[in-house]
Amino acid sequence: GESVGLHLPTLSVQEGDNSIINCAYSNSASDYFIWYKQESGKGPQFIIDIRSNMDKRQGQRVTVLLNKTVKHLSLQIAATQPGDSAVYFCAEGGTGGGADGLTFGKGTHLIIQP
Amino acid sequence: ETGVTQSPTHLIKTRGQQVTLRCSSQSGHNTVSWYQQALGQGPQFIFQYYREEENGRGNFPPRFSGLQFPNYSSELNVNALELDDSALYLCASSSGGGQQETQYFGPGTRLLVL
Repeated sequence: GESVGLHLPTLSVQEGDNSIINCAYSNSASDYFIWYKQESGKGPQFIIDIRSNMDKRQGQRVTVLLNKTVKHLSLQIAATQPGDSAVYFCAEGGTGGGADGLTFGKGTHLIIQP
Repeated sequence: ETGVTQSPTHLIKTRGQQVTLRCSSQSGHNTVSWYQQALGQGPQFIFQYYREEENGRGNFPPRFSGLQFPNYSSELNVNALELDDSALYLCASSSGGGQQETQYFGPGTRLLVL
């Protein structure tokens, strides 16, 4: 797959506010997108995914938006809590049916201010 | 917790040595993918194993090799270690193998090459 990148390396938000983390992707043929959360010293933790036939998907306190026209993905976290502090990665699943693995961006470090 | 386990948690080797890392997949999953994560970067896809066969490979040299066993656990072998091989090695398990399914990551093995 082609590169997947994030717009900002660090995002600082107040506890209780909503957070929005953005991601741009370049492979217009990609059909699967995933957000992972990685805490220090741990492996990436699945948050939410979305396929290219959808433009919005909601989970518990999280929403992923997909804009295929501008090749943009975002993760919205409602009512941010201290436990949300982590590095967030968007990842792109290529068109090889999974066998070509996931392509990750560099990550956004979300910092929660008390 | 994802149910994906990896061993060892940490490892120190010297340049030129060989290393074997192990991964046990989540119950019910038949596919294991391996990733290398350098410090401050997103994970990079090494290869994927499905039903004991290499199913796909990223841009890594042949000295990175693997195995998958009948119980779907997997090994990553790296020969002729180089300093740049120092990284967190992650395995992820998923079901399907033939289509893009959610990959669940283990905690990783941190390898230091001196």
